[in-house]
Amino acid sequence: DVVMTQTPPSLSVAIGQSVSISCKSSQSLVASDKNTYLNWLLQSPGRSPKRLIYQVSKLDSGVPDRFSGSGSEKDFTLKISRVEAEDLGVYYCLQGTHLPQTFGGGTKLELK
Amino acid sequence: EVQLVESGGGLVKPGSSLKLSCVASGFTFSSYGMHWIRQAPKKGLEWIALIYYDSSNKYYADSVKGRFTISRDNSKNTLYLEMNSLRSEDTAMYYCGMGPYWGQGVMVTVSS
Repeated sequence: DVVMTQTPPSLSVAIGQSVSISCKSSQSLVASDKNTYLNWLLQSPGRSPKRLIYQVSKLDSGVPDRFSGSGSEKDFTLKISRVEAEDLGVYYCLQGTHLPQTFGGGTKLELK
Repeated sequence: EVQLVESGGGLVKPGSSLKLSCVASGFTFSSYGMHWIRQAPKKGLEWIALIYYDSSNKYYADSVKGRFTISRDNSKNTLYLEMNSLRSEDTAMYYCGMGPYWGQGVMVTVSS
């Protein structure tokens, strides 16, 4: 199975600060169709997960452009510019290229 | 508006069975592959199963393979997860979903 390693496990931020979260996979996530199926999800406290980004860098509808995704092959990054209070929660990367699909361990974003 | 509503959870004893349902609305259910994921208390997200839009393919995480069965009834816009030989480690919140859309979850507790 593909192992997804997320770092850091937690981040303490001030509102307005920018942060980055790393996700590294044990195998290349480039699929046979040449797409890379790497997603980022946010689970706000007490809520179900919500996908923010798919295929590395494509924002889901309604997701603010403060969020951006980048990376390739095995190394990916989620960046949040100008963190707002509504951004707090746990972020997960999820690879959809290989089966079984696998999540990263999560990064908890908290207020400083 | 897309809605996914899970039901069928509860408290069961180890070794018993349970069947979860997920009713979908607001999109063409029969056109999309659907997933189940779960989250044990205080833990991260775990992907557990995928079914193609036409039920032609089904995939499972090793942790549930041979015990859980994913199915769907496109005429009823409903996704199912039949869970047999339940173990304490299956205790979790179970979510159905696809892409950016995930339900609110249903709790399954396996305890004697």
